[in-house]
Amino acid sequence: DAGVTQSPTHLIKTRGQHVTLRCSPISGHKSVSWYQQVLGQGPQFIFQYYEKEERGRGNFPDRFSARQFPNYSSELNVNALLLGDSALYLCASSFANSPLHFGNGTRLTVT
Amino acid sequence: RKEVEQDPGPFNVPEGATVAFNCTYSNSASQSFFWYRQDCRKEPKLLMSVYSSGNEDGRFTAQLNRASQYISLLIRDSKLSDSATYLCVVTDNVSGGGADGLTFGKGTHLIIQP
Repeated sequence: DAGVTQSPTHLIKTRGQHVTLRCSPISGHKSVSWYQQVLGQGPQFIFQYYEKEERGRGNFPDRFSARQFPNYSSELNVNALLLGDSALYLCASSFANSPLHFGNGTRLTVT
Repeated sequence: RKEVEQDPGPFNVPEGATVAFNCTYSNSASQSFFWYRQDCRKEPKLLMSVYSSGNEDGRFTAQLNRASQYISLLIRDSKLSDSATYLCVVTDNVSGGGADGLTFGKGTHLIIQP
């Protein structure tokens, strides 16, 4: 069975640009969460979506937004990119009360 | 602010030795606790959940002390393949997700030496 898949795997953007990251959850998982992991730190919670509705939001600026589609896939959008947005962006899915399963992540570099 | 504190290490341990990590958490309302393992440039993977009664999975033993708000992980008979970063994870949601998501520590870097 396919795990959580994310695209693209790597991305290079310049300051001020915007970026869209994509995530497909494990089949049957209705909850998708996004995390940002800066080098040397643990992942930081950005958003959680369940049944297409935002259920949780971490301490990130409004430049960060997300949505979930009817097929439960999700997009994370970041506008007006800053150098500090360079990180590994992790998507995780879960079913009911099961623990989170993470995708391989998208490594974003902002120059 | 909810925080999870871990000693970043690195812990350099000879193969076959026993190694233990602790982590402390600040939110006394925390409900669920986990250890995740993260290999270099890979995604975190669930190692084990941590229960109040303590739990064991092969060479790995996890303990939770709610009164002192700390969690421990013990690895016995360490293998070279145990080299990784171990992330302590806490949440105030039973399912491990929820409105505030998972709160991760910065991780403890373990290096098993032959």
